[in-house]
Amino acid sequence: GQQVMQIPQYQHVQEGEDFTTYCNSSTTLSNIQWYKQRPGGHPVFLIQLVKSGEVKKQKRLTFQFGEAKKNSSLHITATQTTDVGTYFCAGPRQLTFGSGTQLTVLP
Amino acid sequence: DGGITQSPKYLFRKEGQNVTLSCEQNLNHDAMYWYRQDPGQGLRLIYYSQIVNDFQKGDIAEGYSVSREKKESFPLTVTSAQKNPTAFYLCASTERDYGYTFGSGTRLTVV
Repeated sequence: GQQVMQIPQYQHVQEGEDFTTYCNSSTTLSNIQWYKQRPGGHPVFLIQLVKSGEVKKQKRLTFQFGEAKKNSSLHITATQTTDVGTYFCAGPRQLTFGSGTQLTVLP
Repeated sequence: DGGITQSPKYLFRKEGQNVTLSCEQNLNHDAMYWYRQDPGQGLRLIYYSQIVNDFQKGDIAEGYSVSREKKESFPLTVTSAQKNPTAFYLCASTERDYGYTFGSGTRLTVV
């Protein structure tokens, strides 16, 4: 079945540093979605990528979908304390979730 | 405002007891889902329903049951057959597989 692997599992950064999390699938994905879950909260939808090589930006967040549609990344520029949380990628088909990257931002 | 309401927020279950978690949405979404999240882990699919009166098992359906009698409601029962039910349960809905909306979750603890 479809598997989505995500690395790293944990990332600690100083406020102002950049952060990247990577998502890799064993199969080609028709789309990939990204979610953010704050500590104690529920996942919140950030974005969906559909096209090969697609790049989308939301303020300091940049999302990429690989040319082969098997990998994706989320990059945050100049992290802020409000970025703290766990970032999940999810494949289609009832959302096969990656294990998430837990981001800690040190002030 | 449209959204998903899960209740209760916290639930305590005794050994051998069945409990039901409520999930109600007013988004008019056809598809609804139940996920389980263990500490520090991703989400695992328990059951999903794409239309009223129909539902399918997810990856970890054993020990759980669901019903979908109304479009707005998708309750999850955690039965006594589920040997390790302590977890965070999340309900979600979507329209055409874009941008799933999650409820605020129910934290279930076995006492």
